[in-house]
Amino acid sequence: DGGITQSPKYLFRKEGQNVTLSCEQNLNHDAMYWYRQDPGQGLRLIYYSQIVNDFQKGDIAEGYSVSREKKESFPLTVTSAQKNPTAFYLCASSRTRNTGELFFGEGSRLTVL
Amino acid sequence: QKEVEQNSGPLSVPEGAIASLNCTYSDRGSQSFFWYRQYSGKSPELIMFIYSNGDKEDGRFTAQLNKASQYVSLLIRDSQPSDSATYLCAVGVRNQGGKLIFGQGTELSVKP
Repeated sequence: DGGITQSPKYLFRKEGQNVTLSCEQNLNHDAMYWYRQDPGQGLRLIYYSQIVNDFQKGDIAEGYSVSREKKESFPLTVTSAQKNPTAFYLCASSRTRNTGELFFGEGSRLTVL
Repeated sequence: QKEVEQNSGPLSVPEGAIASLNCTYSDRGSQSFFWYRQYSGKSPELIMFIYSNGDKEDGRFTAQLNKASQYVSLLIRDSQPSDSATYLCAVGVRNQGGKLIFGQGTELSVKP
């Protein structure tokens, strides 16, 4: 079945540690996105990539980094520079770069201890 | 700062009633509008999109768009308890491909 796989689903991290969240899609979609969701809030865009080997900062990119070496993969690293990393992280993809019709993975819930 | 505003709710309706969810946006040039449904603890799923003024119907769901008033709404007819979720309104950012601005979501509760 086609879809988006995020791992891990739950992650605990100590302050000062970097952590990488995985996102893989087999939908052959061109564009991929990372959003962050805090309790009771909507989604905020961290980074997005419309084509392999290219990505752009979203509204809250500070303290995060990404890569897009393969069409299928768009990992997100939460660095120690991110001041408040505890959140629900959602990876999404869209068939083309020009549509907001997003398909989401199941999410990764990160807790910093 | 481009904004998308929704009433956070909770909006409570009885089973079988019409639920009306509203959203306003600040960028007059926005061209694409989306409604996502998010069950508690789950990821969002797209349920409707609308690009032109007027109504768009899909089963029990109707999206309504009024660009002059910068207003988009979602109507759910014959509401069911399984419709209880948070509904996120999202607006496409003009000239920036698939980039979306999301509202904070409206929590809907359908009571049996």
